[in-house]
Amino acid sequence: DAKTTQPPSMDCAEGRAANLPCNHSTISGNEYVYWYRQIHSQGPQYIIHGLKNNETNEMASLIITEDRKSSTLILPHATLRDTAVYYCIVRVDNAGNMLTFGGGTRLMVKP
Amino acid sequence: GAGVSQSPSNKVTEKGKDVELRCDPISGHTALYWYRQSLGQGLEFLIYFQGNSAPDKSGLPSDRFSAERTGGSVSTLTIQRTQQEDSAVYLCASSAQGQEKLFFGSGTQLSVL
Repeated sequence: DAKTTQPPSMDCAEGRAANLPCNHSTISGNEYVYWYRQIHSQGPQYIIHGLKNNETNEMASLIITEDRKSSTLILPHATLRDTAVYYCIVRVDNAGNMLTFGGGTRLMVKP
Repeated sequence: GAGVSQSPSNKVTEKGKDVELRCDPISGHTALYWYRQSLGQGLEFLIYFQGNSAPDKSGLPSDRFSAERTGGSVSTLTIQRTQQEDSAVYLCASSAQGQEKLFFGSGTQLSVL
């Protein structure tokens, strides 16, 4: 799996958009970008994933640059419950091996 | 079931005792993962099962750790002669064939006294 780089921590004001960046400059053509988050004392939760087109679901939007070397997870209206560690992972489908989580970004949403 | 189920949710044991942690994956999911997370730390991969293939045990920290997956469904993680450094949350996840979208259980909090 390609290596990803994320800032260790970010703050966001409640109600504002949270934009979490991820750098994956060594991504290969068949690798997807996955985002998970882990709220304190819970197991990680899948958020969204994409290959090259921007994606949106009920939780978030994923913007992938045209060269696919970086992406941004957007939480459009952050709430206090969005405070969590957010993990960006790059991976092929049907990889057949373990999924490795890096350090992630600790997002603190403040009132 | 609705999601990945782990039991027990909490386990307190004495140093030197053996413990078994159970994971019930989502029905039909072929891949099953075990991770552990020490307090304030990231997720540490332990073992991965995929269908009938030999499991990837490369993350197991010592030979005191072992895991089985019976009938391609329920998995048991066994820790023999527990040590205090084994104290952590043990998380199980499963995913469907060919998909990398993992569903995690709530974990088992293991405390070794």
